[in-house]
Amino acid sequence: AQSVTQLGSHVSVSEGALVLLRCNYSSSVPPYLFWYVQYPNQGLQLLLKYTSAATLVKGINGFEAEFKKSETSFHLTKPSAHMSDAAEYFCAVSPTGYNKLIFGAGTRLAVHP
Amino acid sequence: DGGITQSPKYLFRKEGQNVTLSCEQNLNHDAMYWYRQDPGQGLRLIYYSQIVNDFQKGDIAEGYSVSREKKESFPLTVTSAQKNPTAFYLCASSRAQGGNTEAFFGQGTRLTVV
Repeated sequence: AQSVTQLGSHVSVSEGALVLLRCNYSSSVPPYLFWYVQYPNQGLQLLLKYTSAATLVKGINGFEAEFKKSETSFHLTKPSAHMSDAAEYFCAVSPTGYNKLIFGAGTRLAVHP
Repeated sequence: DGGITQSPKYLFRKEGQNVTLSCEQNLNHDAMYWYRQDPGQGLRLIYYSQIVNDFQKGDIAEGYSVSREKKESFPLTVTSAQKNPTAFYLCASSRAQGGNTEAFFGQGTRLTVV
């Protein structure tokens, strides 16, 4: 069965520092991959998605992610953290040919001054 | 504006009661989903529907029921058989294609058993 692992349930960075949120997936064939963000008591908003067109994917709010097949990874990065980036981030996989999302457990990002 | 509307935002249930959570979308999406969110566990799929009058169980369907009589609506009933219903429930929709389409989410309903 497909699964998603997010390393680190909590990540804390200083404002202006690099943000790196890790995501690894298990799949025999490259799936479709997504990063979502959730602010407190809100729904999820799509940050970016990988659909095999390009390995480096740019999303909203300055985030990007790189698909690395050899490492089965899809890590999310942002060069400079902003206070407004504090939220929970979810990596998700959609198996090829299906439209069900399988989510990781989430990583809560804290940004301090 | 197009989107997904969940109601109510907060819901309180007494032990042994059935409650129904509403989800309506005006995005003309064929597929709709219900997820349950618990702290530290991510989102788990309860039920999903890819077309009107058809739906399938997800990973944690026990104690829940759904209907899909209209394309726009996918209500979720939490029955008394669900032993631990306190959670945050999220409804989503997407175009029913082969997995590369994003899901759009509602704002969620927080259900608490009192």
